Amino acid sequence: AQSVTQLDSHVSVSEGTPVLLRCNYSSSYSPSLFWYVQHPNKGLQLLLKYTSAATLVKGINGFEAEFKKSETSFHLTKPSAHMSDAAEYFCVVSDPSNDKIIFGKGTRLHILP
Amino acid sequence: GAVVSQHPSRVICKSGTSVKIECRSLDFQATTMFWYRQFPKQSLMLMATSNEGSKATYEQGVEKDKFLINHASLTLSTLTVTSAHPEDSSFYICSAGGSSGGPETQYFGPGTRLLVL
Repeated sequence: AQSVTQLDSHVSVSEGTPVLLRCNYSSSYSPSLFWYVQHPNKGLQLLLKYTSAATLVKGINGFEAEFKKSETSFHLTKPSAHMSDAAEYFCVVSDPSNDKIIFGKGTRLHILP
Repeated sequence: GAVVSQHPSRVICKSGTSVKIECRSLDFQATTMFWYRQFPKQSLMLMATSNEGSKATYEQGVEKDKFLINHASLTLSTLTVTSAHPEDSSFYICSAGGSSGGPETQYFGPGTRLLVL
C-alpha cells in the first residue's frame, strides 16, 4: 500500500528566507509524486510532479523538489519565500495501477513579514 | 489551465435533509471525476470515482446509499448527501480528469463547504 507523510503541520518562515516542506512516502511501486498548493477558497493547484525522469523537479512559482529514493523523501523547497506563498501544501503519491492519488495531511505555510 | 467549478460553494442545511453538490468541467470533457472529503486540519480523503455513464466506484467505508454520485455527462457530476447529519459537515472537493488519464491531469474544483445543523 502507498502512503505519504508530511512531517510538519505548520511551517513559518520570514519573507525572503528559504522554504522547506518535508514529505516522506511509502510505495510498493516506482511512485509518481506530486506537490499541490491550496490557497484559501481556491481549488488545488499542481505545483510540480515527479514521474521517474529527473530526480530534481522544477515547478511553478520558483518551487522545486528532489526525489531521493534512498531516503524515500520528496521535500519541497524554494530559495526565497514570498508573502503570496502562504497556503496549504499537500504532498501526493499516485498509485500507478489505478491512478488513485493519496494525499498527505498537508502543511500550512505561514510567511512572516 | 482547465477550470472545474463547484456549486454551491457553501451550504447550510437542517439535519435530515438532502443536499446536492454539482461539479462541472467548464472547458474540457471529463471522462472521470473524483469526489473527496476534507475534514478540518486533515487531508483529503477520496470518497469515490465516477466514470461518465457508469456507476461510481466507492472507497471502503463510504456509504454509497448515503453519498449518491451521478455522472450523467462528460461535463457534470453530482454528489448528493442524503439525509444529512451533523457528522456529514465537511469540505467536499471534486476533481475532473481528462481522457489521457494520470493524476497530473486532474483539475480540482474550489470545494463546497457543507454545514449540517
